[in-house]
Amino acid sequence: DAGVIQSPRHEVTEMGQEVTLRCKPISGHNSLFWYRQTMMRGLELLIYFNNNVPIDDSGMPEDRFSAKMPNASFSTLKIQPSEPRDSAVYFCASSLGLGSNYGYTFGSGTRLTVV
Amino acid sequence: SQQGEEDPQALSIQEGENATMNCSYKTSINNLQWYRQNSGRGLVHLILIRSNEREKHSGRLRVTLDTSKKSSSLLITASRAADTASYFCALSSGNTPLVFGKGTRLSVIA
Repeated sequence: DAGVIQSPRHEVTEMGQEVTLRCKPISGHNSLFWYRQTMMRGLELLIYFNNNVPIDDSGMPEDRFSAKMPNASFSTLKIQPSEPRDSAVYFCASSLGLGSNYGYTFGSGTRLTVV
Repeated sequence: SQQGEEDPQALSIQEGENATMNCSYKTSINNLQWYRQNSGRGLVHLILIRSNEREKHSGRLRVTLDTSKKSSSLLITASRAADTASYFCALSSGNTPLVFGKGTRLSVIA
């Protein structure tokens, strides 16, 4: 398996533009997580899915953020409109299940810069 | 949800020395996991230790868990320059996603 695949690896966009981040989880993993990493706040959980269903999006900072998982092999995280404070590295991770009984496999991340 | 707190925040050692990182937490847990993150990369799962285990080994890694003190430690023996990375502990209570600490930045100097 190629692991969790995220695209793009880097994204530079202007404030106000729409940004879409993509993730392909590991086949057979039924849980998918979106995290954001900054120096100030560390790794923050934004939203997670189980069997393609969003379970908890309370970590999404604002209504400008939305995420979908239309099928077991694809998820998107969208920011519209983007703001400079959204600049961070966004990670997607997948796992065989929720909780701490399973290890998570992370993608390489998308480094987002909003100017 | 609770977050583990790693200590120290940064650690610098010579190649060949042992590196010890600690993680403390506040409430009861089912299991605890350790991850490594190389610069510019995603996190990589290292080891999972269950609440009924006291010690676990994986190659040069040794993890201990003391549920009475609510703490865990990660020991890397005979460190190498390639071990330079950030190390995170991750916890969850019940069937909730993992919450990661701020990490320990380890520098191994050749």
